[in-house]
Amino acid sequence: LAKTTQPISMDSYEGQEVNITCSHNNIATNDYITWYQQFPSQGPRFIIQGYKTKVTNEVASLFIPADRKSSTLSLPRVSLSDTAVYYCLGHGSGNTGKLIFGQGTTLQVKP
Amino acid sequence: KAGVTQTPRYLIKTRGQQVTLSCSPISGHRSVSWYQQTPGQGLQFLFEYFSETQRNKGNFPGRFSGRQFSNSRSEMNVSTLELGDSALYLCASSLTGFATDTQYFGPGTRLTVL
Repeated sequence: LAKTTQPISMDSYEGQEVNITCSHNNIATNDYITWYQQFPSQGPRFIIQGYKTKVTNEVASLFIPADRKSSTLSLPRVSLSDTAVYYCLGHGSGNTGKLIFGQGTTLQVKP
Repeated sequence: KAGVTQTPRYLIKTRGQQVTLSCSPISGHRSVSWYQQTPGQGLQFLFEYFSETQRNKGNFPGRFSGRQFSNSRSEMNVSTLELGDSALYLCASSLTGFATDTQYFGPGTRLTVL
């Protein structure tokens, strides 16, 4: 399981694009990167997953450079409702049911 | 389709008691994982069940146990409760349980031990 490091907190304003970078220097060849979002007193929610290059869905984009030692979650035009904790997870394709959550990044979106 | 449900949502117990929490996965999902979340330790993996078998276990004492039924519903039990067991207990379900499989989390059970 890749050890990940991400900023503890970030501030942004409504309408801005937010980029959260995650470092994973010891990522293994078969490891994937997955991001989850968690609101207070709720369970985490899957945002996006990738292996390399760029992945985009209706919520976010994930950029993983060629060396795969870092990744960047991009949230376009954030709103107040995007205020949450964002977790970057590095894991193999197996690891049955076991997700290792770090401290996450608390994103505060201001009006 | 209905999401992951957990019951009860809130629970207050006293030290030494035991507690059973329930999790109903999304229909068709065969894997159920359990996590403990506390302000100090964050989200920590407890165990994972697939087709009634425990496949993976985290680093928790034997007081924490679980099981899964043939309909994929799962329960976790904590015996001899300690103050430090106060936490939000989350379960997650997925089709296969593999980490690349999207895990769908329930709303959690807030356990308070007095």
